[in-house]
Amino acid sequence: GNSVTQMEGPVTLSEEAFLTINCTYTATGYPSLFWYVQYPGEGLQLLLKATKADDKGSNKGFEATYRKETTSFHLEKGSVQVSDSAVYFCALSDLNGGGADGLTFGKGTHLIIQP
Amino acid sequence: DTGVSQDPRHKITKRGQNVTFRCDPISEHNRLYWYRQTLGQGPEFLTYFQNEAQLEKSRLLSDRFSAERPKGSFSTLEIQRTEQGDSAMYLCASSAGAGGNQPQHFGDGTRLSIL
Repeated sequence: GNSVTQMEGPVTLSEEAFLTINCTYTATGYPSLFWYVQYPGEGLQLLLKATKADDKGSNKGFEATYRKETTSFHLEKGSVQVSDSAVYFCALSDLNGGGADGLTFGKGTHLIIQP
Repeated sequence: DTGVSQDPRHKITKRGQNVTFRCDPISEHNRLYWYRQTLGQGPEFLTYFQNEAQLEKSRLLSDRFSAERPKGSFSTLEIQRTEQGDSAMYLCASSAGAGGNQPQHFGDGTRLSIL
């Protein structure tokens, strides 16, 4: 079956530090990959996506590259801000693998940025 | 685009009672999804609709759970004879189509607490 594994948190960084949140996946087919973010007290928001190998998704200074050879989709940001404090979820959609259209999520990584 | 709307935001009920949640998707979206999220976990897929047709159910969706989308617009999720283990956040999402190029947009969820 499909699964997503992401690094456990909380991850605590100082403002302006470099961020990496690791995400690896297992899928039957050729999935699309997503990062969603959940700010305190808010719902899940799509942060970025990639639909094929070597695609780079980017948004709000965050980037992630779809690496088929390592089955990874690591999230990076060059200089984090306090406002980036949130829970980040890696997810996949494996429609082409014959699976349901529902997303498979990782457990989430709680990111805390200190001023 | 008013976003995905869920009602109520919070529901507290006694074990054994029935509860019903409502989801209003983004108006032009024909796909609607239900997920369940417990503390410290990522959302888990329950079921989804394309228009009024329920196309897939997860094995997580026991016989006590039923979902409907009678006119292809809003959807309801009913839980009968609630149990302690049903305590969770129930999330609804909608999309304009299938796959990675039509990402899912999430509501803020309904938090269910079973006393």
